[in-house]
Amino acid sequence: SYDLSQPPSLSVSPGQTATIRCTGDHLGDNFASWFQQRPGQSPVLVIYEDKKRPAGIPERFSGSNSGNTATLTISGTQAMDEADYYCQAWDTTIAVFGGGTKLTVL
Amino acid sequence: QVELQESGPGLVKPSETLSLTCSVAGGSITSSYWSWIRQSPGKGLEWIGYIYHRGSTKYSPSVGGRGTLSLDASKNQFSLRLSSVTAADAAIYYCVRLRNILGATLSHWYFDLWGRGTLVTVSS
Repeated sequence: SYDLSQPPSLSVSPGQTATIRCTGDHLGDNFASWFQQRPGQSPVLVIYEDKKRPAGIPERFSGSNSGNTATLTISGTQAMDEADYYCQAWDTTIAVFGGGTKLTVL
Repeated sequence: QVELQESGPGLVKPSETLSLTCSVAGGSITSSYWSWIRQSPGKGLEWIGYIYHRGSTKYSPSVGGRGTLSLDASKNQFSLRLSSVTAADAAIYYCVRLRNILGATLSHWYFDLWGRGTLVTVSS
């Protein structure tokens, strides 16, 4: 089966840049999506097709994907960005999620 | 604005069948693909499968042959049935819209709208 790996946790100070990486074999040959999940809430799509932002997602969220790594970057991280973040890609016809990264802003 | 709402029993006995329904409001169910994704308590996200109104379905190997997706366009609803449940099936179940890109491979598709989720407990 295809696996996507993420660091379990990441801490940043307010105003700093948070970089969350997601690795998988030849991930750059596919498109990656990223989801934000705040405590007690449903996931929200923040990046799709590697780097596109849905309407309503702040410009501080950006994405890239190359080689074996997809990256979600949050510039000028705010307290409201504290959440779990999941990457997702397709393994042919199967949707695969990373294990999630808990972002703490302190 | 499209909204999704899951419904179904919150408690299912081991070995029985879990049945959930997702109601789509504010848009036609025939315009998109639809998925179920679940999240075990304190765990990550797990895709279960997708369905399209023309009968196309795909399931995750993780549910094996236990999962069945169906769609009722007249009610603007789609459903999940998961048979022979065990404690491992206890989770929050989300219904999700899967945005398909016409003419593009599945790799381009993305989950853009999620329901609030419904918690399913498996216990006798």
